[in-house]
Amino acid sequence: DTGVSQDPRHKITKRGQNVTFRCDPISEHNRLYWYRQTLGQGPEFLTYFQNEAQLEKSRLLSDRFSAERPKGSFSTLEIQRTEQGDSAMYLCASSLVGETGAFFGQGTRLTVV
Amino acid sequence: GIQVEQSPPDLILQEGANSTLRCNFSDSVNNLQWFHQNPWGQLINLFYIPSGTKQNGRLSATTVATERYSLLYISSSQTTDSGVYFCAVYSGGSNYKLTFGKGTLLTVNP
Repeated sequence: DTGVSQDPRHKITKRGQNVTFRCDPISEHNRLYWYRQTLGQGPEFLTYFQNEAQLEKSRLLSDRFSAERPKGSFSTLEIQRTEQGDSAMYLCASSLVGETGAFFGQGTRLTVV
Repeated sequence: GIQVEQSPPDLILQEGANSTLRCNFSDSVNNLQWFHQNPWGQLINLFYIPSGTKQNGRLSATTVATERYSLLYISSSQTTDSGVYFCAVYSGGSNYKLTFGKGTLLTVNP
């Protein structure tokens, strides 16, 4: 197992376009999280899944954002009609309930021009 | 919501020096993690430590939950220790949502 994997690592898109990011968690982990990090700040919680169920969404997650985790395996985060304010690092993490904390992927850096 | 404050915000060391990073939090926590964010942006899990002391090589961490703080010690620092160190807490009955501090930017010079 190579840890949490995110794809792509970098994405540059024009304002108004849709983008989709993928996260593959550590295989036995049943929880998966999305965080967003802007320059000079710590990551902020966006949403999390336990197996395939999305159990909480932050107020930061506007209607333009949607996340899925079909079959409780990988997850996708889609941003529709991107805005310049969406430029950030999007981090995925996974964990096993009750164990050892969250493990993060390398992140996807989004730049909206 | 809970506030997490880290100090110092920036720290510059010469290789071989020791350092202590501090994390204060404003309310009781269920658990706490320390991370190192490397220059490529990845968050590396250092410690998962609700209370007590843990050690891993040159790094150790102590959390005193009753006094609402945690400390990260780095001994004999190396240039590869450079990066941002984050403290993050699980609070409010949550064991899934992390609240992060703003981090400490550590620069270790050769």
